[in-house]
Amino acid sequence: GQQLNQSPQSMFIQEGEDVSMNCTSSSIFNTWLWYKQEPGEGPVLLIALYKAGELTSNGRLTAQFGITRKDSFLNISASIPSDVGIYFCAGQLNNNDMRFGAGTRLTVKP
Amino acid sequence: DAGITQSPRHKVTETGTPVTLRCHQTENHRYMYWYRQDPGHGLRLIHYSYGVKDTDKGEVSDGYSVSRSKTEDFLLTLESATSSQTSVYFCASSAGGTDTQYFGPGTRLTVL
Repeated sequence: GQQLNQSPQSMFIQEGEDVSMNCTSSSIFNTWLWYKQEPGEGPVLLIALYKAGELTSNGRLTAQFGITRKDSFLNISASIPSDVGIYFCAGQLNNNDMRFGAGTRLTVKP
Repeated sequence: DAGITQSPRHKVTETGTPVTLRCHQTENHRYMYWYRQDPGHGLRLIHYSYGVKDTDKGEVSDGYSVSRSKTEDFLLTLESATSSQTSVYFCASSAGGTDTQYFGPGTRLTVL
């Protein structure tokens, strides 16, 4: 099946810094999604991308759907302590086939 | 947030015993999913349902079965639990098609 390579695995940054993480795949997807998971909770959708080349923002978060449909990135600007968590990318072909990256664990030092 | 709850939230059981996890949603979503989450693997789909009594296998379905007798409930059963099934299990639901999946809070299962 399709495998998603998400990098980096973890990041330790200072409050106020910008963050960038990405996902690549050997297969194409119709939809790319980015989720955030906090301890003891389920993933929460941050941004959904439906079209190759699409660039979408949600507050301080910006994500892009790669032109080749095989990659996506997520940027977080001016990080704050509550940004701490694990960020997952997911690629979706149809409603029953969504593949997840292994996650990027973000730590923000005040 | 979609109203999705999971029960129990934590369970410890012994190898060879049957285990059933329950997912309940109040959004009248047609599609429901069961995933497991393990370190280094992200989330992997176990089974999904596209309507009452309509289910299909996901990527890691061996050792698991599911049932959906009502729109709002989706059950995951481990007929004979093994230590390799120790994991965190997440349920999700979506209205259908390529609609967004909303996740429950998870069930942490430990098989001794």
